[in-house]
Amino acid sequence: EVQLLESGGGLVQPGGSLRLSCAASGFTFSSFAMSWVRQAPGKGLEWVSTISSSGDITDYADSVKGRFTISRDNSKNTLDLQMNSLRAEDTAVYYCGKGPGFFDPWGRGTLVTVSS
Amino acid sequence: EVVLTQSPATLSLSPGERATLSCRASQSVGIYLAWYQQKPGQAPRLLIYDTSNRATGIPARFLSSGSGTDFTLTISSLEPEDFAVYYCQQHNNWPRTFGQGTKVEVK
Repeated sequence: EVQLLESGGGLVQPGGSLRLSCAASGFTFSSFAMSWVRQAPGKGLEWVSTISSSGDITDYADSVKGRFTISRDNSKNTLDLQMNSLRAEDTAVYYCGKGPGFFDPWGRGTLVTVSS
Repeated sequence: EVVLTQSPATLSLSPGERATLSCRASQSVGIYLAWYQQKPGQAPRLLIYDTSNRATGIPARFLSSGSGTDFTLTISSLEPEDFAVYYCQQHNNWPRTFGQGTKVEVK
């Protein structure tokens, strides 16, 4: 069974940093691109970033470009999202998803709250 | 970026009724449109990809059609577990974009 499990969320002050991780199992992680999608409280879904299977190609939403960095460790089957210069509008549940196009499956998500 | 507009925002129906959800794109996305279902407190679940392909385990009552800019998700006969929010998402262009969602609620 394919499983994705996010971790690393929490409360952080504006301007602070946080690193999210996604542990993958049940599939050949190194063969698939992976993505992050977020959902602000009570709002819709927003694509954040995607990384290729080998990790050499990345893409970001304009809203996070220059502040967030996506990476992966294919030896450990993990996907990371380094988030710097966090803003109140980054408050959301962050989901990792398998795939670059459509996302299947999704993890349960981890909540990031940016507040003073 | 491609803007996806879903309608209606809310659909109030009874179990057993037919639900028809619309997703319109600001420019052509070919057939590269997906649909997701999200229940409160849960992650989204993929229902449909590439316009008309049901994901693994998705019941046959979920049907989707369209191409280019106009797409429709039909739930032929609503089951109690189908009351949820539904999102469309295009995967033809970067950035990937989602519609704002349609809530299917119990009438």
